[in-house]
Amino acid sequence: GESVGLHLPTLSVQEGDNSIINCAYSNSASDYFIWYKQESGKGPQFIIDIRSNMDKRQGQRVTVLLNKTVKHLSLQIAATQPGDSAVYFCAEKGQWGYSTLTFGKGTMLLVSP
Amino acid sequence: GAVVSQHPSWVICKSGTSVKIECRSLDFQATTMFWYRQFPKQSLMLMATSNEGSKATYEQGVEKDKFLINHASLTLSTLTVTSAHPEDSSFYICSADGQAKNIQYFGAGTRLSVL
Repeated sequence: GESVGLHLPTLSVQEGDNSIINCAYSNSASDYFIWYKQESGKGPQFIIDIRSNMDKRQGQRVTVLLNKTVKHLSLQIAATQPGDSAVYFCAEKGQWGYSTLTFGKGTMLLVSP
Repeated sequence: GAVVSQHPSWVICKSGTSVKIECRSLDFQATTMFWYRQFPKQSLMLMATSNEGSKATYEQGVEKDKFLINHASLTLSTLTVTSAHPEDSSFYICSADGQAKNIQYFGAGTRLSVL
């Protein structure tokens, strides 16, 4: 299930389940969104991105959905594996090509074998 | 491709000393690099944007004299924490814009502990 820790919400799933991680972004003018995965003690790793003119994009085992009406972004991970355990951040950019990213608060995904 | 190397990965220093952290883009040129700070169980907070050959742009509340940034080449940016104090202890992460300037690629981070 999902719980909210001191600073970081946590999603606990069983291996093989599908995981859905949600993100509410702040700027309705944001044009570009990225999901990053951060393992403990490491830097963020790019997972998948989507532009504001799309509402869905699929990668390998991952799908990003964008709902601009409610400023909501989600990351779906199919057949979650223990190696998927990490903190997942969504990030938004104001304009395509404009450099500065604004990161969301993050969600910790814990996958039990 | 798009590998960003950050060094050192972990540093312990005495209060009052200065620490330099290096960020290198290994297989691409990065005109823009970014420095972030991250506290445990929190998100990344942008400290400054580093542009090659020009002064860094600092975010509100970040002391530019405390956190010196130099971006002297297209593959190297450095962050120097001057006169470090225990409250500067944190995880510092750099990133660089990829060729398309839409995806930032991140270094592995530097854990700074100030005693």
